[in-house]
Amino acid sequence: DGGITQSPKYLFRKEGQNVTLSCEQNLNHDAMYWYRQDPGQGLRLIYYSQIVNDFQKGDIAEGYSVSREKKESFPLTVTSAQKNPTAFYLCASSMQGQYSNQPQHFGDGTRLSIL
Amino acid sequence: AQSVSQHNHHVILSEAASLELGCNYSYGGTVNLFWYVQYPGQHLQLLLKYFSGDPLVKGIKGFEAEFIKSKFSFNLRKPSVQWSDTAEYFCAVNIRGGGNKLTFGTGTQLKVEL
Repeated sequence: DGGITQSPKYLFRKEGQNVTLSCEQNLNHDAMYWYRQDPGQGLRLIYYSQIVNDFQKGDIAEGYSVSREKKESFPLTVTSAQKNPTAFYLCASSMQGQYSNQPQHFGDGTRLSIL
Repeated sequence: AQSVSQHNHHVILSEAASLELGCNYSYGGTVNLFWYVQYPGQHLQLLLKYFSGDPLVKGIKGFEAEFIKSKFSFNLRKPSVQWSDTAEYFCAVNIRGGGNKLTFGTGTQLKVEL
C-alpha cells in the first residue's frame, strides 16, 4: 500500500540533544511537509519542500532543520535551539499542481517528549 | 498572510443531531479550502475540498461544506451525526497557485454521545 511512514512513533530527547525524525513516502509525490501539532493550536508548518534538493521555511522554522536529498525522504532534525520541542510532529506529502489544489496525505506522526 | 479561524473548539452532540462547524479565513485572493478529520488513533485524512465550481461540496461519510465567498466562510455540515464521527476536525486553506502549503485552523474536537 502507498503511504507515508514516520518513525519512530515516540521519541525522547535530553536537554541539549539534537534528534532526527524520519519521514518516507512511496506515493511518488514531489512535495513534502512537516507540521507541528500542539493542543488547541492546530497544525503549524515548520518546513516544506516542493522538489528534491530544495526546501523553504514555514511559519515556525526556528530550531529545526531539514534535508531533501531523495524524493521519498524528508527528515526533520529538532535541534537544541528549539526550546519547546515537546509536541506531535506530522509529515505530509502531495502532488504538485498548477492550482495548488492537491490534497496532502499525512503520516501517523511522531510524539516527541523531553526527558 | 492568510489565517483560519475555527470558533467552536469543543462540540458535544447526541447521535442523530445535526452538525455545523464554523470556519472563516482571511485572505482577499483566490483560495482552495479543505476540511481534514483526525479520528482517535488514526492519521489525518481529507474529508472534502473546494477549489472551484459548485460552492456546495460533498465529502466522505455524508459530510458537506458550503463556500460563501462574501463571508469568507467554509462551514462543515452533516444532517445526522453518528457516534463514529467523534474526531477532531480541521479547516485549512491555501492560496491558489501559491504552492500547496496549508494554513490550518486550531481544530474542533467533536464528541458524539450515544
